[in-house]
Amino acid sequence: GAVVSQHPSRVICKSGTSVKIECRSLDFQATTMFWYRQFPKQSLMLMATSNEGSKATYEQGVEKDKFLINHASLTLSTLTVTSAHPEDSSFYICSASPQGANNSPLHFGNGTRLTVT
Amino acid sequence: GQQVMQIPQYQHVQEGEDFTTYCNSSTTLSNIQWYKQRPGGHPVFLIQLVKSGEVKKQKRLTFQFGEAKKNSSLHITATQTTDVGTYFCAGHAGGTSYGKLTFGQGTILTVHP
Repeated sequence: GAVVSQHPSRVICKSGTSVKIECRSLDFQATTMFWYRQFPKQSLMLMATSNEGSKATYEQGVEKDKFLINHASLTLSTLTVTSAHPEDSSFYICSASPQGANNSPLHFGNGTRLTVT
Repeated sequence: GQQVMQIPQYQHVQEGEDFTTYCNSSTTLSNIQWYKQRPGGHPVFLIQLVKSGEVKKQKRLTFQFGEAKKNSSLHITATQTTDVGTYFCAGHAGGTSYGKLTFGQGTILTVHP
C-alpha cells in the first residue's frame, strides 16, 4: 500500500516554457504532500509543502511565483515550473504520508527528471 | 534551522566488507528515518527509530538511535552488490510541522564484486 505516482518521469522543454508535474497518492488520501528537488549526487532539498485546499508553504529561497503548487484534491498535487530556464534542470520528487499519520514515513513518487534546453 | 549532517559522503567497499554511515543532528529529534535510493531511482523508506537508544535490525542492516536522540547510524554487515545506492537519514525535530523531514546529505555506497 501507500503508493505515490508521479508523472511525467522525464521531460525536456525549451527555455521559457512551463512544465507541469503531477503527484498522485493512489491508495490513500494525503492532505499534505511535499515537493523536493535533488541535484546529482546530492541530498533532497525540500522546496515546499503542498496543503490540500490551501496555499502551499514554500521553503526559504524558493520562488513561489516560479514554482506554482496546486493541491486541489486529497490525492493530487501539481508543481508547475513556470518560464523554465536551464538552471531549473533537476530531479523533482514528490512525497506524501497517509492522512493523519503524523511523523510517519514518507512515500516518494518516482521523480521527474526535467531538462531545460 | 535544523541541520542533519551525514558522513561519509562516499564509501567504496569490497563485497563482503562491512559498511557504516553516521548521522548527526544539530537539534534533538523526535524520530529518525532511513531511506535508500538506488541509482536513477527514488528514495525508499527503510526504517524509523523513535526511542532513545533504540536498535533495530533488518537482516544484515542494523540501525541505532543515540541516547540523546541527536545521532543515528546504519551498519550493513557483509555488503552485497545489491546494497549499492545512496543511504539518507532524515529527521523530524521535536515539535516540527507535520511530516516535514530534514534529510542528511546521504552516503553513496559502492560495492565492488
